[in-house]
Amino acid sequence: EAEVAQSPRYKITEKSQAVAFWCDPISGHATLYWYRQILGQGPELLVQFQDESVVDDSQLPKDRFSAERLKGVDSTLKIQPAELGDSAMYLCASSSGGAGELFFGEGSRLTVL
Amino acid sequence: GENVEQHPSTLSVQEGDSAVIKCTYSDSASNYFPWYKQELGKRPQLIIDIRSNVGEKKDQRIAVTLNKTAKHFSLHITETQPEDSAVYFCAARTSNNTGKLIFGQGTTLQVKP
Repeated sequence: EAEVAQSPRYKITEKSQAVAFWCDPISGHATLYWYRQILGQGPELLVQFQDESVVDDSQLPKDRFSAERLKGVDSTLKIQPAELGDSAMYLCASSSGGAGELFFGEGSRLTVL
Repeated sequence: GENVEQHPSTLSVQEGDSAVIKCTYSDSASNYFPWYKQELGKRPQLIIDIRSNVGEKKDQRIAVTLNKTAKHFSLHITETQPEDSAVYFCAARTSNNTGKLIFGQGTTLQVKP
């Protein structure tokens, strides 16, 4: 069964450092999402792509976060500089369209010291 | 902005009893309501969903009801089993171009053997 791939699974970094997360969606899925999940809370949408275009980044802290999906397939989420409050699980998800079921990856757990 | 409220935050039931989790949403244009189950350290997985053109949907021991007038939907799990123990998230998707999926805060369900 096809799955959303994410790496790294775990990342520990010091504050002010740069971190990057990678996501490879299910083949053929045009819509890709990055969610942040703080422990004990629900996932919060950071950015949504339709192919290579950003369709929603209203909750993305653009002073330190950036996301790209250059060829409309895999995607990278970057944080620079990382802050203590960025410690969370970063979940990538994909769907075949804006109205389809979301399939989540295993997530990348970030710890900022 | 769009908001999804979920209650209760924790729920403990005896094996074999029923469990009910309730959500309300703010955007009357929402038209898709999925429920996700997330086991500790794992990815959220879709367990059931309902669209705004129906009022109830059932899949074995799991059912979801939707009241569009009240902007309220609920998850019902009957004959609970210990393996149902997990965090459950409701979500609502708007019908605008982005199809943004907003999640509730989650309910930790514990089924006691």
